[in-house]
Amino acid sequence: DIQMTQSPSSLSASLGDRVTITCRASQNIDAYVNWYQQRPGKAPNLLIYATSSLQSGVPSRFSGSGSGTDFTLSISSLQPEDFATYYCQQTYTPPFAFGPGTRVDVK
Amino acid sequence: QVQLQESGPGVVKPSQTLSLTCTVSGDSVRTGSYFWSWIRQPAGKGLEWIGRMFSSGRTDYSPSLKSRVSISIDTPNNQFSLKLSSVTAADTAVYYCARGSTWFGEDFWGQGALVIVSS
Repeated sequence: DIQMTQSPSSLSASLGDRVTITCRASQNIDAYVNWYQQRPGKAPNLLIYATSSLQSGVPSRFSGSGSGTDFTLSISSLQPEDFATYYCQQTYTPPFAFGPGTRVDVK
Repeated sequence: QVQLQESGPGVVKPSQTLSLTCTVSGDSVRTGSYFWSWIRQPAGKGLEWIGRMFSSGRTDYSPSLKSRVSISIDTPNNQFSLKLSSVTAADTAVYYCARGSTWFGEDFWGQGALVIVSS
């Protein structure tokens, strides 16, 4: 099975900061990485699919990049509603594992 | 707009079978373009992918749950279901259903259903 890791596990940031989260797969997964945002008590929300494609309705301050085994999610200018937990997921081959999550909170 | 809604018992006794149903609106579970997934999340922990089913009947399950899990589709009622047998306290979690695609990810999710395993 493919394992997904994320770093950091948590970070503290201020409004307007640029934030970058890294995700690494245990083997090559081509471009089959998705990113989700989860706010407390809510279902995850798809932000980015296929490494870098922005899901409809998601603000353009979110972006994704990478290929193979290393991927990143960036938030260009952190907004109040962006304080949440972020998960990467591979959909290259089942089981479609998620990373352990990165919590973004207020500095 | 695609919507999914989980339903089922909120409490299941240890060793019994957990059963949840996901009702889909705005799309058909018969579509060949997507698969239908279950994901769970214990309190304070991360997301665990349970499995998926295509309308063709093909299924894929997490190896750690494969011996206990079954996903099925009810096309007349536009629903799909999860059964997890021989549950223990470790199966206590919020269970989500979702629509998925290998390229587009899991794009629509239900709100989640809390299932507590307790006698």
